[in-house]
Amino acid sequence: QSALTQPASVSGSPGQSITISCTGTSSDVGGYNYVSWYQQHPGKAPKLMIYEVSNRPSGVSNRFSGSKSGNTASLTISGLQAEDEADYYCSSYTSSSKVFGTGTKVTVL
Amino acid sequence: EVQLVESGGGLVQPGGSLRLSCAASGFTVSSNYMSWVRQAPGKGLEWVSVIYSGGSTYYADSVKGRFTISRDNSKNTLYLQMNSLRAEDTAVYYCAREVGYSSSAWGQGTLVTVSS
Repeated sequence: QSALTQPASVSGSPGQSITISCTGTSSDVGGYNYVSWYQQHPGKAPKLMIYEVSNRPSGVSNRFSGSKSGNTASLTISGLQAEDEADYYCSSYTSSSKVFGTGTKVTVL
Repeated sequence: EVQLVESGGGLVQPGGSLRLSCAASGFTVSSNYMSWVRQAPGKGLEWVSVIYSGGSTYYADSVKGRFTISRDNSKNTLYLQMNSLRAEDTAVYYCAREVGYSSSAWGQGTLVTVSS
């Protein structure tokens, strides 16, 4: 199973909005509404930010939102803050397994 | 509070074996989907294996036939038996609780280094 494609890096200034894309195929992203997004700070375990395309777990800021169109899912971070600087990974269910994205490093300028 | 604590990592020679454990608290392992995810040094996340509440198991092609996921309901613990280890298996291994095919809780990870 090939990894989902994400941009290697995205940057923005505090207060701005950024969007991270996650491109797969009809066998994963496009075929199921089981896309998740994870935030990972250096040396830490990943943290679930979005599940089932657009749902936020309790405790996650409403500045994080998710969407999907066809084979591409997106994570938008609005009102960018310094604490949002981290690596972000998407994942999708696919035929009794799971595939992760290549990861995106978000830099707050 | 949901908590996952991995253990069992370490240095092992190529071709060797290792068993990772993931002790859970705050929920029942056997009633949940549980997975292992790994991250090679400086690399991205890679899904390794899942065990469903009904007992079905699935593996990434890269570990199929070498790794076995299991659980001990009496100890509320998840395991990953890793055999025929290769240098490319070197990674931090995380266990995770799956909710709706999302990894809603993660352990702190345990480092496995395969080297001679």
